[in-house]
Amino acid sequence: SQTIHQWPATLVQPVGSPLSLECTVEGTSNPNLYWYRQAAGRGLQLLFYSVGIGQISSEVPQNLSASRPQDRQFILSSKKLLLSDSGFYLCAWSEWSSSREDIQYFGAGTRLSVL
Amino acid sequence: GQNIDQPTEMTATEGAIVQINCTYQTSGFNGLFWYQQHAGEAPTFLSYNVLDGLEEKGRFSSFLSRSKGYSYLLLKELQMKDSASYLCAVSPPGGYNKLIFGAGTRLAVHP
Repeated sequence: SQTIHQWPATLVQPVGSPLSLECTVEGTSNPNLYWYRQAAGRGLQLLFYSVGIGQISSEVPQNLSASRPQDRQFILSSKKLLLSDSGFYLCAWSEWSSSREDIQYFGAGTRLSVL
Repeated sequence: GQNIDQPTEMTATEGAIVQINCTYQTSGFNGLFWYQQHAGEAPTFLSYNVLDGLEEKGRFSSFLSRSKGYSYLLLKELQMKDSASYLCAVSPPGGYNKLIFGAGTRLAVHP
């Protein structure tokens, strides 16, 4: 069966520090991968998605970047964190498809506080 | 663009039935998803509609009317553990299975 791992679970970082959040998926090949952010009491906002190694699409302009160095590894990064980067970051995966709709499965999330 | 509207909060009694509505205005539409999210946890998949009509999965059912841009999630025989946020999400055209989420409806189930 497929599993998704995301770490760390919580993170407190000072303004201006770098960020690296990691997500890995097991039990599937060539998944679609997604990074979302959820502000307190708000819905999920899609930040990045990837349909293959090295292929990253950004949905919103921001202080963050994403990379996919391996098939089942998705990394969210920042060179200098802002206060507004605080939130609940969620990684998700779905079966690869360029058109067919399929269920997204979420990791446990990382709660980031930038102080 | 896409706009998804859900009520912010709802309350219901244990054992009752509750209907959570979702309306959407999108420039195109491939399917509609419902997710459950307990406080501080990740969303978990509940149901998916691509055609008009009702999809039933145990105590949960979801309905879709594409012509009206309307969906609802029906929860029967409510239990305390159903207290959570319920997120409506639409899949816009363009592929790659992207989802646009509504802000969610926070449901509180009381004894």
